[in-house]
Amino acid sequence: GQQVMQIPQYQHVQEGEDFTTYCNSSTTLSNIQWYKQRPGGHPVFLIQLVKSGEVKKQKRLTFQFGEAKKNSSLHITATQTTDVGTYFCAGAETSGSRLTFGEGTQLTVNP
Amino acid sequence: GAVVSQHPSWVICKSGTSVKIECRSLDFQATTMFWYRQFPKQSLMLMATSNEGSKATYEQGVEKDKFLINHASLTLSTLTVTSAHPEDSSFYICSASGADFYNEQFFGPGTRLTVL
Repeated sequence: GQQVMQIPQYQHVQEGEDFTTYCNSSTTLSNIQWYKQRPGGHPVFLIQLVKSGEVKKQKRLTFQFGEAKKNSSLHITATQTTDVGTYFCAGAETSGSRLTFGEGTQLTVNP
Repeated sequence: GAVVSQHPSWVICKSGTSVKIECRSLDFQATTMFWYRQFPKQSLMLMATSNEGSKATYEQGVEKDKFLINHASLTLSTLTVTSAHPEDSSFYICSASGADFYNEQFFGPGTRLTVL
């Protein structure tokens, strides 16, 4: 079955440093979504990428979808303590189908 | 924005009892609802997908007779954990998607189940 792998599992950074998490799917995806889960909270939708090679930005966050639509990345520039949480990617093989979540990357930011 | 509620937020029960968890979409019609399970510091594992008015589709390895899912309306889905045992203790999260929100899933706040 479809597998979504995410690395790294943990990332500790100093405030102001950049952060990147990578996501790889075993199959070609229709779309990939990114979610953020704060400690003790529930996942919150960040963004969806649909097109091959797509790049989207949300303030300090940059999301990329690979040309082959099998990998994706999330890059945070100049991290802040509010960025703390676990970032999950989730891929769907067809539009509207079930999402397969990656293992998540837990980000901690030291002030 | 789209809001999904879950009730209860936490529950403690004795082994052998059944627990029902409700998931509601408060301001939109949820054509599809998903039920996930999350163990501490782990990812979300999809248990089942339910469409309003039809039987839920369970993921491989999930016992449908143990985890009963009902999606009776476009705003409500329920998950009943029957004859719960300590190994069923987990964080159960529902999500909902609707026709107006292309592929996006809105997650409920989750229910922490502890089985003694």
